Amino acid sequence: NAGVTQTPKFQVLKTGQSMTLQCAQDMNHEYMSWYRQDPGMGLRLIHYSVGAGITDQGEVPNGYNVSRSTTEDFPLRLLSAAPSQTSVYFCASRGTAEAQPQHFGDGTRLSIL
Amino acid sequence: AQSVTQLGSHVSVSEGALVLLRCNYSSSVPPYLFWYVQYPNQGLQLLLKYTSAATLVKGINGFEAEFKKSETSFHLTKPSAHMSDAAEYFCAVTNQAGTALIFGKGTTLSVSS
Repeated sequence: NAGVTQTPKFQVLKTGQSMTLQCAQDMNHEYMSWYRQDPGMGLRLIHYSVGAGITDQGEVPNGYNVSRSTTEDFPLRLLSAAPSQTSVYFCASRGTAEAQPQHFGDGTRLSIL
Repeated sequence: AQSVTQLGSHVSVSEGALVLLRCNYSSSVPPYLFWYVQYPNQGLQLLLKYTSAATLVKGINGFEAEFKKSETSFHLTKPSAHMSDAAEYFCAVTNQAGTALIFGKGTTLSVSS
């Protein structure tokens, strides 16, 4: 069972570069989310989606774009990387039934130099 | 707006001692509450969830949590700590739309022999 798959696991970028963090799930979940984890800050919601073609902003959306063209995939794009975006990024998915828990990927560790 | 406060960023216990990790929440709607555990360099794993079916919720690895509406609390306990319980623990509440999670800042549990 693959669950939620994130690629890459590690990435180093230079300031100003762009990149896409990939997230795919094979559980046919409608809801998907991106979080960033920083020391002492917990996980903060960046963007989320309730289905193909529908996305919305979370708590810290600036500097990130998302799109949801299929149920399975929810990529996160950094348009112009900044050192403040150095973080660990987690993708999660869940079903639509009430109180379903989020299933998390293993994370992408991103460093911006 | 939904929010979560975890009291104590770091808790230290001896092996065999009681574990108590505190979580208070704020929610404008009946909440769904979760505890997740994160081991070093790993993703998040669900420990347990509260869905209003019962106020005392049992989870994996001997953990349980009690929902107290009057105190807006959802504290996590384990009667006897084990070395393998050393990890970071996150309390979370669903956002108002029910589509994603709002996390506390986390509590690191250390267990000494």
